[in-house]
Amino acid sequence: ILNVEQSPQSLHVQEGDSTNFTCSFPSSNFYALHWYRWETAKSPEALFVMTLNGDEKKKGRISATLNTKEGYSYLYIKGSQPEDSATYLCAFDRYKLTFGKGTLLTVNP
Amino acid sequence: DAGITQSPRYKITETGRQVTLMCHQTWSHSYMFWYRQDLGHGLRLIYYSAAADITDKGEVPDGYVVSRSKTENFPLTLESATRSQTSVYFCASMMQGGEKLFFGSGTQLSVL
Repeated sequence: ILNVEQSPQSLHVQEGDSTNFTCSFPSSNFYALHWYRWETAKSPEALFVMTLNGDEKKKGRISATLNTKEGYSYLYIKGSQPEDSATYLCAFDRYKLTFGKGTLLTVNP
Repeated sequence: DAGITQSPRYKITETGRQVTLMCHQTWSHSYMFWYRQDLGHGLRLIYYSAAADITDKGEVPDGYVVSRSKTENFPLTLESATRSQTSVYFCASMMQGGEKLFFGSGTQLSVL
């Protein structure tokens, strides 16, 4: 069983704060690392898929970086808004995706 | 554009009964997956399939059976349902490794 760890488990921030979370994964036999956003009562939706060491992806106020040699990825949210409240999942892709348990973000207005 | 659909949306059954959850995708994606969502465990992989007639176990396969005779369908069967299989089940698909995973809407299963 692959070990994919996410931290923190949960996070409460105020509207306008910037925040970041971490995903740790095995550094050997890397293929891809995924980030998903999961709102309550919905299905997870893809944010990014990263495949190369040093990769940086950006979508609006959300960005992610990847370090495959040390086995971690960061997800950043700049200027958090209440609509950013969700669980953010990372998944290690070695042809079958193994998910971390997620970081639950709550943004207070 | 139907995408990926799961049925039923909700299911209540009794222990010992056989239950089949359906998953259908219209994109001709090669890979399909079944996950279960449980409090404290996140999403855990039950089974996955890389192509028609190719399936493999995930992290928690015991008590489940899958088949994939056609690329677009990936049913999950609980051979003899147990209370511990009460969960929300998500089917997902992707074209190939390194591409985005698309999820169905989920099936909420209760085993009484």
